[in-house]
Amino acid sequence: DARVTQTPRHKVTEMGQEVTMRCQPILGHNTVFWYRQTMMQGLELLAYFRNRAPLDDSGMPKDRFSAEMPDATLATLKIQPSEPRDSAVYFCASGFSASGVGETQYFGPGTRLLVL
Amino acid sequence: AQKVTQAQTEISVVEKEDVTLDCVYETRDTTYYLFWYKQPPSGELVFLIRRNSFDEQNEISGRYSWNFQKSTSSFNFTITASQVVDSAVYFCALNVYGTASKLTFGTGTRLQVTL
Repeated sequence: DARVTQTPRHKVTEMGQEVTMRCQPILGHNTVFWYRQTMMQGLELLAYFRNRAPLDDSGMPKDRFSAEMPDATLATLKIQPSEPRDSAVYFCASGFSASGVGETQYFGPGTRLLVL
Repeated sequence: AQKVTQAQTEISVVEKEDVTLDCVYETRDTTYYLFWYKQPPSGELVFLIRRNSFDEQNEISGRYSWNFQKSTSSFNFTITASQVVDSAVYFCALNVYGTASKLTFGTGTRLQVTL
C-alpha cells in the first residue's frame, strides 16, 4: 500500500531556529505539493513541483521559506528563521500527471509544527 | 477565479442516519476536476473521489454516493447509514484546467456521528 511519508511527524522549536521538513512521495509520482493547514486559513498551497522542477511557489513567504527536490524520492521544506505564526500542520502530497492537470493528490500524514 | 463553497460548517447526526454534505463550485472553465477528501481526527487527508467535468454520472461506493450536477454547479456527497467512524472533516476541492494542478479547497464540513 503506497503512501506518502513525512518526517518529522511533530516538531517543537523556538523562534529563530531553522526547521526542515521532509517528504517521500509515492514511487512513480511526478508531482509533489506542499500545503499548510491552520484553523484560520484552512488549507493553503505553498509550492509544488513537477518532475522535480518548481512550478509554483507563489503561496510561500519567500524571505523565510524554501522548497526543494534534491531527487525524485525526496522533497524538503525549510523555514529559516521560524516564527510563532508558522505554527501549523504542513502536508506533503504527491500525484501523477501526464497532462499537467487533474491528477489526484495523495497526502502524507503531515508535520505538526509548533514554534514557541 | 475559482471558488468552492461548503456552506455547512458542522453537521451532527445519529448513527444509521443518512447525511448529505453540500459542495458548490464556481469556475468559468469548461474543463475541471472535482474531488472529495476526508480528514479524520488522526489528521491525515484521505482521497475519496475524483470527477471530471465531462462525466456527470453519479457514483456509488458502498455507503458513499456522489451527485454531480453541472446545471447547479454542485457536487454533493451522501453517506448512507452513517457510522461513528464517518466522523471527520470532509473537504470538497476543485482543479481547473487553466491553473495546472492547483487545488482550490472548500472550508470543510465537520461531521459528527454519535451513537
